[in-house]
Amino acid sequence: EAEVAQSPRYKITEKSQAVAFWCDPISGHATLYWYRQILGQGPELLVQFQDESVVDDSQLPKDRFSAERLKGVDSTLKIQPAELGDSAMYLCASSLTPGLNSPLHFGNGTRLTVT
Amino acid sequence: AQTVTQSQPEMSVQEAETVTLSCTYDTSENNYYLFWYKQPPSRQMILVIRQEAYKQQNATENRFSVNFQKAAKSFSLKISDSQLGDTAMYFCAYLNFGNEKLTFGTGTRLTIIP
Repeated sequence: EAEVAQSPRYKITEKSQAVAFWCDPISGHATLYWYRQILGQGPELLVQFQDESVVDDSQLPKDRFSAERLKGVDSTLKIQPAELGDSAMYLCASSLTPGLNSPLHFGNGTRLTVT
Repeated sequence: AQTVTQSQPEMSVQEAETVTLSCTYDTSENNYYLFWYKQPPSRQMILVIRQEAYKQQNATENRFSVNFQKAAKSFSLKISDSQLGDTAMYFCAYLNFGNEKLTFGTGTRLTIIP
């Protein structure tokens, strides 16, 4: 079964450094989501793409976070500069279309530790 | 804003027993969906079951069933004949019609004891 691919699985970085995560959704999935999951909490949506366009980035800290999906396929989430509070699991998910009839498929996530 | 509350941070149960995970939510909307997601130790989140708020009948998927009480804004998950592979974090989630943003609860860590 096709899966959402994410890399790296783990990332340790020092505060004030830049870090980037990559996500490759299931082929044909037009909708892509980035979630942040802080330890002990549920995932929180950071940004949603429909093809190459941002649909919702209201919860993305835009002073340090950026996300792109240039060709409407894979996506990169960047943090610059990283802060201690950014330590979390970053989950990517995709769906065929937005909406309730197209279930979300999640990747395994990238665990970020900022020291 | 919608909120989802899971009041049981951790639970454990013997294999083959039945366990119920609790979830309550707060919303002023009438049309919405509720979900239970499972996140095993390998971390890939998968959908367990979903319930449309307009349906009175409780959803069932094999050993998984829900007790949806709309007036009480309660949405519990029952796992029957629990198996070792059910060990995971379970998240309750809410989604409003017209808004595809899922709101998750804080999760319940379920351990099935052999």
